[in-house]
Amino acid sequence: DSGVTQTPKHLITATGQRVTLRCSPRSGDLSVYWYQQSLDQGLQFLIQYYNGEERAKGNILERFSAQQFPDLHSELNLSSLELGDSALYFCASSPGIASYNEQFFGPGTRLTVL
Amino acid sequence: QKEVEQDPGPLSVPEGAIVSLNCTYSNSAFQYFMWYRQYSRKGPELLMYTYSSGNKEDGRFTAQVDKSSKYISLFIRDSQPSDSATYLCATPLGSSNTGKLIFGQGTTLQVKP
Repeated sequence: DSGVTQTPKHLITATGQRVTLRCSPRSGDLSVYWYQQSLDQGLQFLIQYYNGEERAKGNILERFSAQQFPDLHSELNLSSLELGDSALYFCASSPGIASYNEQFFGPGTRLTVL
Repeated sequence: QKEVEQDPGPLSVPEGAIVSLNCTYSNSAFQYFMWYRQYSRKGPELLMYTYSSGNKEDGRFTAQVDKSSKYISLFIRDSQPSDSATYLCATPLGSSNTGKLIFGQGTTLQVKP
């Protein structure tokens, strides 16, 4: 158990809908990361927050947005969902900002868009 | 060309075999490399990291970086069925002041008893 929690574990929804994925980082970790894992694209970095502020961005679609709250939990919002958004979404956390910090991954949320 | 490439396998070996998992990368500026292990239906977990060239050993695992050929390897000695998982190589992209990692596709390994 990494100490990172994600809810829900599974989500099934329809095209065009909007969903929110939630992540609680390990106690004391200030950085939160979101990743998308699909069979064709592999594990892809979406976005990083550090202590409430956006720190780095990957190839995150404009339909996707995230935020980190004062209590350090984070939410990833996915809107106008398409079939291709079906994937595993992982949250990770680390103590600091830097790339050499070990990232601890949560168990993931499996999103299925029908 | 992807920045980090990895053969997805699957790779199937008998218990006790020496396993070699490999990645290639395109940018010679990459200096720091990691290996993550991902069990089925779980999140990835950091297995090893190496900085610059050379070998790093941790128990049955050895990570190797060859910067001249832009090649990263992970060797597993005396492989066990519990090593069956997907192994992902990764490297930071951009400033070291962010945690942005790029991952290879992952190689699925099955160790048969």
